[in-house]
Formats: sequence, C-alpha cells, structure tokens
Amino acid sequence: GAVVSQHPSRVICKSGTSVKIECRSLDFQATTMFWYRQFPKQSLMLMATSNEGSKATYEQGVEKDKFLINHASLTLSTLTVTSAHPEDSSFYICSARDRVGYTFGSGTRLTVV
Amino acid sequence: GDSVTQMEGPVTLSEEAFLTINCTYTATGYPSLFWYVQYPGEGLQLLLKATKADDKGSNKGFEATYRKETTSFHLEKGSVQVSDSAVYFCALSESLGEKLTFGTGTRLTIIP
Repeated sequence: GAVVSQHPSRVICKSGTSVKIECRSLDFQATTMFWYRQFPKQSLMLMATSNEGSKATYEQGVEKDKFLINHASLTLSTLTVTSAHPEDSSFYICSARDRVGYTFGSGTRLTVV
Repeated sequence: GDSVTQMEGPVTLSEEAFLTINCTYTATGYPSLFWYVQYPGEGLQLLLKATKADDKGSNKGFEATYRKETTSFHLEKGSVQVSDSAVYFCALSESLGEKLTFGTGTRLTIIP
C-alpha cells in the first residue's frame, strides 16, 4: 500500500533556531499534502494544505511566515518551523492524498528548549 | 463549520470485552466518515470508512455504521484484544480527498 515517510521522528532544538520536517511519498505521487499539529491529549488540527508547485493554503490562525511549507516535487513536502519557541513544541504529522483516501506519516515530535 | 465529537477517554477494558466508542458529527453536506487508529510511536492508520448513509465500514473485527438520522458513526468491536490498545480517532471529510476534521481521540487500553 501507499507509504509516506516522515523525518525526523523526534527533534530537540534550541529556542530561536529553525527545524525542517520532511514527508516523502515512497510509492505514489502526492499532489496534495496536509500538515497537522497535535497537542497533548488533543486532536489533530489542520495547519495547511500544500499542492505541488503552488503556494500552501494555511488555516486561519496559522502563521505562514513561521510555518513554511514547500511542496516542490510530487514526492516531497517540507514543513519548516522558523525561529522556534517552546510553545511550538508539539507533534507534527503529514498526510498525503492517495488513490483511495489519505496516507499519514509517522509524525515528528518537536521539543523546543 | 464541520466538527466531530468523540467519546472522551481513556477507556480501559478487559480482553474479550465489548467495545463501543461514540462519535457524532456536524457537517453542512454529506461527508465521508472515517475511523483512524494510532499505535504508540506510529502515525495514523485508516481503520475503516463509510462514504454514504447506512454504509457499514468494517476491518479487523471493528465496525461502524454511518447513521445520517443521528449524525453518528460509533465504533464497535465484539471482543477486544490486548493488541487493540491504541488511540482511536473519528474523522470526516466533506469531500473524499479533501481535508479531514478530527475528533479529540480516545485512548483505549486493553488489559489481559
């Protein structure tokens, strides 16, 4: 079946630095990817939708200058958390639209210290 | 806007017990409904889905029926196993392939 590889699985960074998270579709072309954020004991909240070759569409309240999304190819989408702060610590997970629905990455646990 | 209300957890059951996790939704149209499962340290996996009223999704002994009249999609399993311990998410999309709206998730723990 379809697989989405997400890296890194865990990252700890210092406040003020930037972190890049990658999602690759391994055996299919992902024209659309969704980026979610999951707070402890809460649900997944959609941050943005990225389409290959075009600008991402951000949900209301999500800072596009802070959460940079690039979807430069049909198999790769990246989320960069710029100038990270402790409040950005969260679980980030991507999802790609495939033939039958959605395939999720395994998630990235970001801790900003 | 769309929303999904899911039974709060955590839920702890003994092995072979009957499981129900309630899920109700609010949507403007006729959404597709999903149950996803998240095992420890892993991403979400599709458990089952239903795309229209009265459809029943089923997989691995789990079932859920799309009830338009009660706007519900409750998850059931007749006899749970320890390996079913995970977090379960109910979700909807207004159009298949569009963004998903998730419930808060229910952590299920099965004890031997």
